[in-house]
Amino acid sequence: QQQVKQSPQSLIVQKGGISIINCAYENTAFDYFPWYQQFPGKGPALLIAIRPDVSEKKEGRFTISFNKSAKQFSLHIMDSQPGDSATYFCAAAPEETSGSRLTFGEGTQLTVNP
Amino acid sequence: NAGVTQTPKFRVLKTGQSMTLLCAQDMNHEYMYWYRQDPGMGLRLIHYSVGEGTTAKGEVPDGYNVSRLKKQNFLLGLESAAPSQTSVYFCASSTMPGLSPRDTQYFGPGTRLTVL
Repeated sequence: QQQVKQSPQSLIVQKGGISIINCAYENTAFDYFPWYQQFPGKGPALLIAIRPDVSEKKEGRFTISFNKSAKQFSLHIMDSQPGDSATYFCAAAPEETSGSRLTFGEGTQLTVNP
Repeated sequence: NAGVTQTPKFRVLKTGQSMTLLCAQDMNHEYMYWYRQDPGMGLRLIHYSVGEGTTAKGEVPDGYNVSRLKKQNFLLGLESAAPSQTSVYFCASSTMPGLSPRDTQYFGPGTRLTVL
C-alpha cells in the first residue's frame, strides 16, 4: 500500500517549458515533504523540501506547492533544461520522526528535450 | 569528504547464498538508513539506526539483518538470498532530525544486487 502516490510516471518536456509532478498522501500525520532528484547510476539527492506551515516554497527554478486540505503537493520546474532530466521522487515523513522516516512516492522520470 | 560510500557496487548471488553490504559515512551523522529501490515502487526503507549500537525495522525488513557497531558504519546482511531481493540498495545518513532546517538524508551511490 503506497502511502504517497506520485504522478505521472514519466514526463517529457521541451527545453524552456514547465515540468509539473504531483504527489498525494493519506497520512495526516505527515508534516515534512521533500523532493529528491536522482541521476542515472547515482543516489538520490535532496532538491527542495517544505513543511505544512507554508503553501509554497521556491528555490531558483524549483517550486513546491502544498495544499494541506487536499493532501497534495507538487513540484514545478520552471524553464526546464536538458540537465534537469532525471528521476524525481516526492517523499513525506510524520511529525514524530522529525523528518527521518521518509515514505517515498513511486518516482517520475523526467526527460527534457533540447 | 567522501560522504556516503557503499561496497560492493555490484554483486550477483545464487539463491540461498549470504552476503553483507557495507555502508560508511564520514559526516559524523547519527542516523543511518538502508533502502531498496525497485522499478515503479520508489525507495522503501528496510532498516534504520538512530545511533551506534541501535537498529530498528523499517517498511520492508523481512529477510534482512543490520548492525551498527561503529557510528560511521552500517551493515546490511542477507542470510539466505532470494530472487525477490534482486534490487538496488541505497544507504543514507543524516544528522539528528530537527538540527538541520532541511533534514537532509545523504545517499550513497547504491549497490546493484542480482539474485539468481
